[in-house]
Amino acid sequence: AQKITQTQPGMFVQEKEAVTLDCTYDTSDPSYGLFWYKQPSSGEMIFLIYQGSYDQQNATEGRYSLNFQKARKSANLVISASQLGDSAMYFCAMRDGLTGTASKLTFGTGTRLQVTL
Amino acid sequence: DTGVSQDPRHKITKRGQNVTFRCDPISEHNRLYWYRQTLGQGPEFLTYFQNEAQLEKSRLLSDRFSAERPKGSFSTLEIQRTEQGDSAMYLCASSPSSGSSYNSPLHFGNGTRLTVT
Repeated sequence: AQKITQTQPGMFVQEKEAVTLDCTYDTSDPSYGLFWYKQPSSGEMIFLIYQGSYDQQNATEGRYSLNFQKARKSANLVISASQLGDSAMYFCAMRDGLTGTASKLTFGTGTRLQVTL
Repeated sequence: DTGVSQDPRHKITKRGQNVTFRCDPISEHNRLYWYRQTLGQGPEFLTYFQNEAQLEKSRLLSDRFSAERPKGSFSTLEIQRTEQGDSAMYLCASSPSSGSSYNSPLHFGNGTRLTVT
């Protein structure tokens, strides 16, 4: 069963605008962590932001924030004031204790974001 | 602070040949992961080490694949009798051991792109 679902294969946003990238997840483990990564065309995976299942507040890191809706099992990434350098693939990932060791991350299929002038 | 290093960056091989990739994790990280990423997909988990112990292997890791981490530092991933379907980006990641915490992100290398002709 798909554990991480990213339904937007591609998104466009104008420079300086905000954009939301969707992510839903599926787990019955009450303890889990959610991560977002950025993968530019050069290929490296860059960690952006983390949200824990017990965190009371939505995570924020600079221009990145996570809209965490636990009951809906969604963890959408919000990028404010988009920049041309934000153009990349974005992956949502989860770590829980149900799939083998509570260590590996399971990734979604990604959303390609294109920032336009 | 050096990140995760992978060698080589690119590898082109003929079908049926054996290939070996190397990963040097961040020095204080005792967890090491191998992932495979095909075009348009998110990274898929292959295997995971804690120190020198290989704790989990994915069903994706057929008997043609073997990974080692003999001294708990660098790791190698070998693919024997390569097939065209093995063409992918092979990503290595590391993280510190943090007990039952879910919040440690994986730090990825730049990957090895394998092309099997």
